[in-house]
Amino acid sequence: NAGVTQTPKFQVLKTGQSMTLQCAQDMNHEYMSWYRQDPGMGLRLIHYSVGAGITDQGEVPNGYNVSRSTTEDFPLRLLSAAPSQTSVYFCASSHNRGDTEAFFGQGTRLTVV
Amino acid sequence: KNQVEQSPQSLIILEGKNCTLQCNYTVSPFSNLRWYKQDTGRGPVSLTIMTFSENTKSNGRYTATLDADTKQSSLHITASQLSDSASYICVVSSQFGNEKLTFGTGTRLTIIP
Repeated sequence: NAGVTQTPKFQVLKTGQSMTLQCAQDMNHEYMSWYRQDPGMGLRLIHYSVGAGITDQGEVPNGYNVSRSTTEDFPLRLLSAAPSQTSVYFCASSHNRGDTEAFFGQGTRLTVV
Repeated sequence: KNQVEQSPQSLIILEGKNCTLQCNYTVSPFSNLRWYKQDTGRGPVSLTIMTFSENTKSNGRYTATLDADTKQSSLHITASQLSDSASYICVVSSQFGNEKLTFGTGTRLTIIP
């Protein structure tokens, strides 16, 4: 099992550009989520999905879109990148939302200039 | 507002020594408390998880304690090794069935030879 795989690992964008952060898991987990991690702050939930075809907003959803067409994939789209979106992004998955065993990807470090 | 506070922010100890990290939380209703280890440039990895009724849980050289009355938890590391250098994040979950996670900002632990 590869676990949770995120790509790319690093990315630099210009303000206004769009891009998609990829996340895939091979554990057949129903619950997937995206977090951002900023210096001096705890991880904050952006969007989550409780299963294919179902997504919902987290704590900081503005400027991001998600979709869940398959159980395995949960891409995060930045619509028009802003410097405030410079952060490290983590995708996580677990069997269900209450599952204590959450698995995280290695992260994507995004810089918006 | 749900909050998780960790102390100290950073800690440097000699290899082989023990240390204790602290976590105070104001999360209600409480579901469980988790400790994660995050190596530099990697995603968080679960160390322990404790529910309301559990006071202590061990994972090798890591021992977590929970006092649900005072809303405090600690993570004790015994006989530290260089590989223990990482950030340790306390995460508290609220509500059963519609779980929300509140992340602490972490303690940065450095082990020196």
